[in-house]
Amino acid sequence: DVQLVESGGGLVQPGGSLRLSCVGSGFSFSSSSINWVRQAPGKGLEWISYISGGSSTIYYADSVKGRFTISRDNAKNSLYLQMNGLRAEDTAVYYCARMEVGYFDFWGQGTLVTVSS
Amino acid sequence: SYVLTQSPSVSVAPGQTATITCGGNNIGSKSVHWYQQKPGQAPVLVVYDDGDRPSGIPERFSGSNSGNTATLTISRLEAGDEADYYCQVWAGYSDYYVFGTGTKVSVL
Repeated sequence: DVQLVESGGGLVQPGGSLRLSCVGSGFSFSSSSINWVRQAPGKGLEWISYISGGSSTIYYADSVKGRFTISRDNAKNSLYLQMNGLRAEDTAVYYCARMEVGYFDFWGQGTLVTVSS
Repeated sequence: SYVLTQSPSVSVAPGQTATITCGGNNIGSKSVHWYQQKPGQAPVLVVYDDGDRPSGIPERFSGSNSGNTATLTISRLEAGDEADYYCQVWAGYSDYYVFGTGTKVSVL
């Protein structure tokens, strides 16, 4: 079965940094494009970043560009999101989601990031 | 930026049909995907490419897309269908992947 498991969330002060991880199993991780999608408390879904299987293509939403960095280590079946300069509005559940052609076919259970002093 | 607009909520009796719309400029020219999200859970893909269903999704879930509106239809509504539903498209190389505002489906 396809599985994606996120970790690394927690409480961080404004301006701080955090690194999220997502480990995939049950599919060809290195061949799959993976994304980060977040959901603020009580709000809708917001796509924030995409990385292709070989890391050659990367996209960011304007809301995180210049502050967040997506990366992956296919040898470890792992995806990362380095988040710097965190703001209160970055408080959300962060999901990693595998991408098929244009849609997200499998999602992790999410990890909560809270930015607060 | 590309915006997808959904009605905030829909309430339908069990056994009836729920219709959820997703409005966007010329959305009929794009492939639309739909997700179901129950409280405290991750989203689940229920329809992709306008009207195809992933394996394991009941035939009660169907989709269509034309003009400026895409539609997710849930027939023979069950209590377990109560959830938030989001549409999503690829909006090009400036907006990338865009989600709709979400519709809460309540089963009366």
